[in-house]
Amino acid sequence: DGGITQSPKYLFRKEGQNVTLSCEQNLNHDAMYWYRQDPGQGLRLIYYSQIVNDFQKGDIAEGYSVSREKKESFPLTVTSAQKNPTAFYLCASSGRFISGANVLTFGAGSRLTVL
Amino acid sequence: SQQGEEDPQALSIQEGENATMNCSYKTSINNLQWYRQNSGRGLVHLILIRSNEREKHSGRLRVTLDTSKKSSSLLITASRAADTASYFCATVEGSQGNLIFGKGTKLSVKP
Repeated sequence: DGGITQSPKYLFRKEGQNVTLSCEQNLNHDAMYWYRQDPGQGLRLIYYSQIVNDFQKGDIAEGYSVSREKKESFPLTVTSAQKNPTAFYLCASSGRFISGANVLTFGAGSRLTVL
Repeated sequence: SQQGEEDPQALSIQEGENATMNCSYKTSINNLQWYRQNSGRGLVHLILIRSNEREKHSGRLRVTLDTSKKSSSLLITASRAADTASYFCATVEGSQGNLIFGKGTKLSVKP
């Protein structure tokens, strides 16, 4: 079945450590996204990539980095510069259009906790 | 930036009742989407309504759009316990066409 796989589902990090969240899709979608979700704040866009080897900052990119070396993969690194990294991270892709509009397909999420 | 804002933040109903959630947005849109999120899971696309549409149906879902009031509503009829989830509206912002999500309505359907 086609879909988006995020790993790990749960991750614990000590302060000062960088961690990388994996996102892989087999939907042949061009665009991929990373969102952060905090309780009561909805989803906020961290980074997005519309094509391989290119990516753009979203609303809250500080303390995060990404790469897009392959169409299928869009890993997110949470660096030690991110002051409050504990959150639920969602990866999404798009390449499906309904009535000309971009529709997102989401992964199951990765929950990062800083100890 | 935040485009959509759902109301109410939380809603608790009995199975069989209807659930109505509202979304208000700030700028002009071409379309508005609704997504559902089960607890601890990713979001799933439910329905899209275009700016030239006033109402759209999909199974037990009914979405309305009032562009003059910059608002949309999602109605779930004959709710079931399995409808328990958070529901988000999303609109496009900026030239890149990225979706911006509201904070969501948390729906609890009691059996």
